Amino acid sequence: AQSVSQHNHHVILSEAASLELGCNYSYGGTVNLFWYVQYPGQHLQLLLKYFSGDPLVKGIKGFEAEFIKSKFSFNLRKPSVQWSDTAEYFCAVGTGGFKTIFGAGTRLFVKA
Amino acid sequence: DTGVSQNPRHKITKRGQNVTFRCDPISEHNRLYWYRQTLGQGPEFLTYFQNEAQLEKSRLLSDRFSAERPKGSFSTLEIQRTEQGDSAMYLCASSGSGVNNEQFFGPGTRLTVL
Repeated sequence: AQSVSQHNHHVILSEAASLELGCNYSYGGTVNLFWYVQYPGQHLQLLLKYFSGDPLVKGIKGFEAEFIKSKFSFNLRKPSVQWSDTAEYFCAVGTGGFKTIFGAGTRLFVKA
Repeated sequence: DTGVSQNPRHKITKRGQNVTFRCDPISEHNRLYWYRQTLGQGPEFLTYFQNEAQLEKSRLLSDRFSAERPKGSFSTLEIQRTEQGDSAMYLCASSGSGVNNEQFFGPGTRLTVL
């Protein structure tokens, strides 16, 4: 069965620390990859997406993610986090057509 | 606000009652999705509409659940004979018609079944 695994459920960082959130998926075919973010009290919103081409994709607010096909991974990174990055982050995989499978999410808390 | 809207935002009901939720997608989007999210989990796919046609239903969607999108615009999700296990956040999202277009999510309806 298709699945998405996020390695960390909770991450606590100080401001200016670097961030890397792990995401692995299980699906043997062509995938489209997403990171969504949910800030406190707000809707889920797209942070970045990968469909094809350069496996290093840049999103909003200084986030980037790298697709490593051989590792079935799509890790999210940010060189220097801010207090305003406190949120829940979801990795998601589209397996063709309409269906998108979400990971369980990682709650990030950034200490000011 | 031209985003996805959902009503009500919160619903508290007693076990055995029926509830209905409404989703209004972004007007030019022809795809509409329903998800369920429980504490500590990501959104789980429930069903999907392309215009008014319901093209896919998850096995999570038992016979007590029914979704409609009668005119290809707003959608309703009804749960009959609610159970405590139905307590969750029900999310609606919409997208355009391209392959794996970005989905835009609504604020969700939080259901509590007592």
